[in-house]
Amino acid sequence: EIVLTQSPDFQSVTPKEKVTITCRASQSIGSSLHWYQQKPDQSPKLLIKYASQSFSGVPSRFSGSGSGTDFTLTINSLEAEDAATYYCHQSSSLPYTFGQGTKLEIK
Amino acid sequence: EVQLVESGGGLVQPGGSLRLSCAASGFTFSSYAMSWVRQAPGKGLEWVSAISGSGGSTYYADSVKGRFTISRDNSKNTLYLQMNSLRAEDTAVYYCANLAEGLTSAGYYYYYMDVWGKGTTVTVSS
Repeated sequence: EIVLTQSPDFQSVTPKEKVTITCRASQSIGSSLHWYQQKPDQSPKLLIKYASQSFSGVPSRFSGSGSGTDFTLTINSLEAEDAATYYCHQSSSLPYTFGQGTKLEIK
Repeated sequence: EVQLVESGGGLVQPGGSLRLSCAASGFTFSSYAMSWVRQAPGKGLEWVSAISGSGGSTYYADSVKGRFTISRDNSKNTLYLQMNSLRAEDTAVYYCANLAEGLTSAGYYYYYMDVWGKGTTVTVSS
């Protein structure tokens, strides 16, 4: 099973700040890494697919990069509505796995 | 509009059974693999199971293998998850998700969950 480790677990940030969340895989997964945003009491929403491809309708301030074992989700100019938990997810091999999540709090 | 609506959750005693359903609309259901993902209270996301578009291939997490069965009825545009021998640790919100397919420049396929339902809550307790 491929283990995904996100950092940090929690981050408190101010609006307009740039945020970087990392996801490290226990073995190479190519670019089969996707990012989701989950707000309280809502289902997850896809932000980035295949490491760096923005999903339709997602604001351009969200971007992804990386390949192999190290990946990054970047949020440029954070907005208050970005308060949420962010998860990375790998579909390189079964069983599919998720990172433990990174909770973003807006100051 | 693409929509997934889960149902069938509830309170069940340990050792009991429950069948979840996920009604799909707004897309050609039979063309897509589907997946179940769960989230225990206050915890992260856990992949549970997946099924191919035809229903001919199924996959499970080790934590549910032998107890849960995923299936689909393409004539009814509905995905199912039969859960038997339920345990307290199966308590969670269960989401169904569409497994969309992408193609890399090298000609490989990859899968990602692009649409999720709102979830249905399963509580296993005596």
